[in-house]
Amino acid sequence: GAVVSQHPSWVICKSGTSVKIECRSLDFQATTMFWYRQFPKQSLMLMATSNEGSKATYEQGVEKDKFLINHASLTLSTLTVTSAHPEDSSFYICSARGRANTEAFFGQGTRLTVV
Amino acid sequence: DAKTTQPTSMDCAEGRAANLPCNHSTISGNEYVYWYRQIHSQGPQYIIHGLKNNETNEMASLIITEDRKSSTLILPHATLRDTAVYYCIVKGGGSNYKLTFGKGTLLTVNP
Repeated sequence: GAVVSQHPSWVICKSGTSVKIECRSLDFQATTMFWYRQFPKQSLMLMATSNEGSKATYEQGVEKDKFLINHASLTLSTLTVTSAHPEDSSFYICSARGRANTEAFFGQGTRLTVV
Repeated sequence: DAKTTQPTSMDCAEGRAANLPCNHSTISGNEYVYWYRQIHSQGPQYIIHGLKNNETNEMASLIITEDRKSSTLILPHATLRDTAVYYCIVKGGGSNYKLTFGKGTLLTVNP
């Protein structure tokens, strides 16, 4: 299947700082990218959907000013967690699909710990 | 998208076939059945998907009942590395490509 790379794999940051997570599609053009969050022992929860060149669409209850999503090119989307707090500690996962795919492919996830 | 029901957990012996069931009795005509799995602390991995016909690839086989109200994912020769949470997801084939994850089935492959 297609390869989606996420960076970093893990990050520890201080409360109040911002963290950027990158998601790249390595061998296909990602027309749509998705960002998920997963708390321990829970399933993945969709945070937002972004189409290249458009503003992201956020799921209900997700603060768009706190979780900034940029999808500036067909191979790169970024999620910035602004003014992070300990409750933002979670596993963040991106996925991407290309124009020719009905299935989405996932990155390896980023473990964010806010101390 | 239609709701799915999966057992919480299953066990399988290494080398044997693992058959993971999924009920999706409210599936509509244009909705596909997708299977993903998530190994601990990794992102989900796409396995297979189908609409009506049975499908097979290098990872697994997908058997969909004639009425499409249920399906079974088959891993023909399970290995220890197949231990993971398996998610059955029903999704329309239109422009909404969002995947809604349920709790899935934790498959444990035992030596």
